[in-house]
Amino acid sequence: AQSVTQLDSHVSVSEGTPVLLRCNYSSSYSPSLFWYVQHPNKGLQLLLKYTSAATLVKGINGFEAEFKKSETSFHLTKPSAHMSDAAEYFCVVSEGAGGTSYGKLTFGQGTILTVHP
Amino acid sequence: EADIYQTPRYLVIGTGKKITLECSQTMGHDKMYWYQQDPGMELHLIHYSYGVNSTEKGDLSSESTVSRIRTEHFPLTLESARPSHTSQYLCASTHHNVLTFGAGSRLTVL
Repeated sequence: AQSVTQLDSHVSVSEGTPVLLRCNYSSSYSPSLFWYVQHPNKGLQLLLKYTSAATLVKGINGFEAEFKKSETSFHLTKPSAHMSDAAEYFCVVSEGAGGTSYGKLTFGQGTILTVHP
Repeated sequence: EADIYQTPRYLVIGTGKKITLECSQTMGHDKMYWYQQDPGMELHLIHYSYGVNSTEKGDLSSESTVSRIRTEHFPLTLESARPSHTSQYLCASTHHNVLTFGAGSRLTVL
């Protein structure tokens, strides 16, 4: 079975300061991990993905995430927040090929990021 | 430009009506999914399909049904809508485990 926990339901930062959105996961198999972003009244968009290659993954819009197997974490970071980053972010886990849930993705509860001027 | 198309985007209907939410994708993906998302809540998988004539129940129990007669089409049907069905429904497909989402169908049942 797989699960994902986003540790903060809301994160508030000032424009230009770093962003940290935390995600912990559990998986019986080698997982694939993703971060998606959802802007108000828009569809979900893929930010980045980890699929057993480099543990530090770079995504779009300056975001990156580091896969830490020992900590079962996949935190999302950005050095400097922009007003346009305000949205809801979802951490997602999928068990890889060979797992009984291959292709099924489990979403975290979401973290709403607010960026103040 | 979206490669997954959902219609209608918004629907307000009365209790007891039958509704079908349409989902089509032009990417030739075999795996398709329906997620339900209530305001401020995470997405819950309600149906998925691994290909034509394949449909499975997801993690969240749902009174809706789905069909997959063609690769590109994965409609969701509610035979008799109730206010508890009010939610946003997101269709998605995957290729190599990367989800592509449609814009969603926001359903309100009065």
